[in-house]
Amino acid sequence: DVKVTQSSRYLVKRTGEKVFLECVQDMDHENMFWYRQDPGLGLRLIYFSYDVKMKEKGDIPEGYSVSREKKERFSLILESASTNQTSMYLCASRITGSANKDTQYFGPGTRLTVL
Amino acid sequence: AQKITQTQPGMFVQEKEAVTLDCTYDTSDPSYGLFWYKQPSSGEMIFLIYQGSYDQQNATEGRYSLNFQKARKSANLVISASQLGDSAMYFCAMSSFSGSARQLTFGSGTQLTVLP
Repeated sequence: DVKVTQSSRYLVKRTGEKVFLECVQDMDHENMFWYRQDPGLGLRLIYFSYDVKMKEKGDIPEGYSVSREKKERFSLILESASTNQTSMYLCASRITGSANKDTQYFGPGTRLTVL
Repeated sequence: AQKITQTQPGMFVQEKEAVTLDCTYDTSDPSYGLFWYKQPSSGEMIFLIYQGSYDQQNATEGRYSLNFQKARKSANLVISASQLGDSAMYFCAMSSFSGSARQLTFGSGTQLTVLP
């Protein structure tokens, strides 16, 4: 079974703090993704990485950065957290060339609250 | 640009009955995939079913089937014999090529409640 884990289920931070969200997958997937989920808006892509040290902006990258130094780990960084970044953050990974093409497998999510 | 539309914010169904969740999409990409995910209150997104744009037959996975009508650009999810554990948020998604990799675009979701 594919397993994607995220470092925290719940996180509370203060405005201006630097926040790290970690995601680890154990299936040697090339591609990894970070989404945020807000009520009524579905999931929106923040950043994705198609290989180690490679990254591309998604639909809403402003206020975020990412790091992928190892294949299994993809980090989302909020350089200076703001209240409008309070949200559910979901990480996903995907192997290229799989039978179920493009299927992404998700972690359990991190519910971040910025006070 | 790719777009997924789910017009039913909430649905109710009686236990053991079938239910259809609607999804329409818009894309100019000739090759795409359509997905349904389930998100229980715990928050994890669970992959349910996949349909490729060139697949001739509708996809089925156990009690889940995808009613794919390409000309109408619709990809409805049918759940047969609903169970209480099916109560969750359901998202339709479409893959398309953007940047250096294929990405998913999600709809806004449908909250399904199964009544005993």
